[in-house]
Amino acid sequence: EPEVTQTPSHQVTQMGQEVILRCVPISNHLYFYWYRQILGQKVEFLVSFYNNEISEKSEIFDDQFSVERPDGSNFTLKIRSTKLEDSAMYFCASSERVQDQPQHFGDGTRLSIL
Amino acid sequence: GESVGLHLPTLSVQEGDNSIINCAYSNSASDYFIWYKQESGKGPQFIIDIRSNMDKRQGQRVTVLLNKTVKHLSLQIAATQPGDSAVYFCAENISPGGANNLFFGTGTRLTVIP
Repeated sequence: EPEVTQTPSHQVTQMGQEVILRCVPISNHLYFYWYRQILGQKVEFLVSFYNNEISEKSEIFDDQFSVERPDGSNFTLKIRSTKLEDSAMYFCASSERVQDQPQHFGDGTRLSIL
Repeated sequence: GESVGLHLPTLSVQEGDNSIINCAYSNSASDYFIWYKQESGKGPQFIIDIRSNMDKRQGQRVTVLLNKTVKHLSLQIAATQPGDSAVYFCAENISPGGANNLFFGTGTRLTVIP
C-alpha cells in the first residue's frame, strides 16, 4: 500500500539554525500538508499546498516557515532561525483531492532544538 | 521545566468487547470528518471518514456515527483486539469548500486488556 515517507525520523539542531524536513507524498496525490504535534498536545495544522503554491496556512506558519516542492516527488518544510519552542513532531500528509478525501500521514520527523 | 500536556480521556476495554469513542466537534459548518488512530511513535493512520450528509458509515469492524444536531461524532470498534490499543483522534474539516485543513480533537487513549 502506498505511503507517505518522511526523512529524517529525528533531527537535532542548535537553536538559531535552519532545518529542512523532507517528505515524499503518495505518488498520485495532488494536495500536500504539514502538521505539527508538540509533545502531549494536539496535532495542529500548519499549511496546505497545491499546484506549487500555498492554499492555506495557519497562524503558526509565519515568516520563519516555508514550503517547497523542488521536484516531482519531494515536499519540504524549511524552518529558519529555529527556536526551542519549535521542538515537536512534524507530520507531512497528502490527499488525492481536496474535497472529502482523507489525508494520509507519514510517521513524522521528531525535531529537537537544543 | 515540565511541559504541560493534555490529559487524554482514557478507555479501557476487555479484548473481544466493543469500544465506543466519543468526540465533540467545534464548527457547525464542518462538513467532513475523519477518525485517525495513532500508535506510539507513528503518524495518524486513517480509519474511516464521513460526510455531513450522512449519519452513519460502516467499515471493517468500525462504525462512525454523526449527530450534527449536537455536534457529536462517535467511533465504534467491534470485537476490540490488543492491536487496537492506541490514541484515537477525530478530525474535522474546518474550511468547507476550501482547502481540506483538518482540526484535530484532543484524542482518547484506548487500552485493550487481553
